[in-house]
Amino acid sequence: TQLLEQSPQFLSIQEGENLTVYCNSSSVFSSLQWYRQEPGEGPVLLVTVVTGGEVKKLKRLTFQFGDARKDSSLHITAAQPGDTGLYLCAGTFNFGNEKLTFGTGTRLTIIP
Amino acid sequence: DTGVSQNPRHKITKRGQNVTFRCDPISEHNRLYWYRQTLGQGPEFLTYFQNEAQLEKSRLLSDRFSAERPKGSFSTLEIQRTEQGDSAMYLCASSHRRKTGGSREQYFGPGTRLTVT
Repeated sequence: TQLLEQSPQFLSIQEGENLTVYCNSSSVFSSLQWYRQEPGEGPVLLVTVVTGGEVKKLKRLTFQFGDARKDSSLHITAAQPGDTGLYLCAGTFNFGNEKLTFGTGTRLTIIP
Repeated sequence: DTGVSQNPRHKITKRGQNVTFRCDPISEHNRLYWYRQTLGQGPEFLTYFQNEAQLEKSRLLSDRFSAERPKGSFSTLEIQRTEQGDSAMYLCASSHRRKTGGSREQYFGPGTRLTVT
């Protein structure tokens, strides 16, 4: 059974600060996705990474995939209240296996 | 472009009753997935379809749960003889047959929140 650990579980910071959240697994990902989820809604896809060492940017969000494809990080620059939400990483572990395994998430609160 | 839709958004039922949820995937998406999310946890995989074929089922999907996708378009998830432990958010996702950058990206609906009293 593959497990994804996300850290920290909770993070509360002031508007304008930078932050990084992490996703780690003991197994190699075949692909990894980051999602953001608002209360009472479904997860919204932010990015997909597939290649070890890959870096993707989405405005103030930077996603990095570890060289060994076992870990990933999400860095937010100059956080804004609209960034508040639950950030979930999810991965597939076998090529051809469609099942996503999710972490428990990082609940981020940006204080105005 | 309409996203994944799910109905109903909320369902309150008494223990022992049967409930059915519906998911309409993004058009042209041939793969459809069901997940369950309990409070404070990430979603957990239940089952998935490629067209009308159910290709994988999780051990979480007990005999009381059944999912169908009869025409390869919308899907239904039925829970028979509901229990309080079934209370959760039931999420549906869909993906295109073609991969994007090596992966089939899954797009989620808003979910159906089930409360069993």
